[in-house]
Amino acid sequence: GENVEQHPSTLSVQEGDSAVIKCTYSDSASNYFPWYKQELGKRPQLIIDIRSNVGEKKDQRIAVTLNKTAKHFSLHITETQPEDSAVYFCAATGNEKLTFGTGTRLTIIP
Amino acid sequence: KAGVTQTPRYLIKTRGQQVTLSCSPISGHRSVSWYQQTPGQGLQFLFEYFSETQRNKGNFPGRFSGRQFSNSRSEMNVSTLELGDSALYLCASSLDGRAADTQYFGPGTRLTVL
Repeated sequence: GENVEQHPSTLSVQEGDSAVIKCTYSDSASNYFPWYKQELGKRPQLIIDIRSNVGEKKDQRIAVTLNKTAKHFSLHITETQPEDSAVYFCAATGNEKLTFGTGTRLTIIP
Repeated sequence: KAGVTQTPRYLIKTRGQQVTLSCSPISGHRSVSWYQQTPGQGLQFLFEYFSETQRNKGNFPGRFSGRQFSNSRSEMNVSTLELGDSALYLCASSLDGRAADTQYFGPGTRLTVL
């Protein structure tokens, strides 16, 4: 089945700097790659997603890139703010179900 | 539209007991997936229901089961609880349950097994 690896597990960045989280997947048939943000004590919320016919997608300060050949995709957050502090999960479809990475705890240092 | 709701929000049980958790999807969504979230393992897929049928199952023992009703509401049951079952149980709904459908999560049920 699908296997998704996510790095790093923790990330601290200075407010205003950029943050990058990387994921790799194993199933070459996967074609949908969402990113979820989970704040402490809250439910995971979709922040951006990308489909395999697209290499990059951007939404304000958030962007995701996909390299299908290398089977990896990344989340980029620019001009980070304190409210960006949360756990971020990547996911990939495989066998008709979403497989999640183990999460990255992002801390923004004021 | 109201979001995904889950009841109860918190549960405390003892080993050997059983528990039933409930999930109400977004109106019009026909697919409900269940996940177990623990600090070390992240989000682990339990199973997915669509039109009252289990379509997909993760790698969990048979003590974990579920069902879906005609109104798309879903329940999951865990029998013979073990300490290791302590976790946040999340359900997520999507329109048709296709792999590329956006999944919307409920707030979760935090289960503590003593």
